[in-house]
Amino acid sequence: KAGVTQTPRYLIKTRGQQVTLSCSPISGHRSVSWYQQTPGQGLQFLFEYFSETQRNKGNFPGRFSGRQFSNSRSEMNVSTLELGDSALYLCASSDLAGVEEQYFGPGTRLTVT
Amino acid sequence: AQSVTQLGSHVSVSEGALVLLRCNYSSSVPPYLFWYVQYPNQGLQLLLKYTSAATLVKGINGFEAEFKKSETSFHLTKPSAHMSDAAEYFCAVSAITGGGNKLTFGTGTQLKVEL
Repeated sequence: KAGVTQTPRYLIKTRGQQVTLSCSPISGHRSVSWYQQTPGQGLQFLFEYFSETQRNKGNFPGRFSGRQFSNSRSEMNVSTLELGDSALYLCASSDLAGVEEQYFGPGTRLTVT
Repeated sequence: AQSVTQLGSHVSVSEGALVLLRCNYSSSVPPYLFWYVQYPNQGLQLLLKYTSAATLVKGINGFEAEFKKSETSFHLTKPSAHMSDAAEYFCAVSAITGGGNKLTFGTGTQLKVEL
């Protein structure tokens, strides 16, 4: 099976703009989670989607949003970008509704200037 | 709430030496614990997981970890380090919240392997 794919891999945006990142989970996986990784804050959970419904949300401002489509692909959107949003955004998928290991994509490196 | 603490943000070992990366967890319910590895400019790769079965868990690339409830620990070991093991390692605990799946990560340990 193909792994988790994320597009684009690298992105440069200007402060105030918005950005949309995409994630395609492993075939058959219905849960998609998003994480932000920064040197200062480490790995932080953003949100999780399962069968097109957001089940969990981390402690991030409303500028961060996401959605999941019927084919389990997911997008996350960040509006009104700030310099502090520069990070590696990781998407992970898992195949069951319970506590199972998550498989991570390579990430999207977002730089906000 | 659940959390993990990784002791030592940087660990350096000689090639062929024992690797020991420390992780302690805090959980109000029986935890599910994971170790992930991250190579530069890549995502996270699962090394091993503990899900309440055997307390000694074997993973990929010769790594293993032992769940010790009395010490609330889940340390990662490898008998003999290889240059290719140089990477950042993350311990994580999983929580079922709101019916969903959420990983809480430690701050990571950067492993350096020297000749």
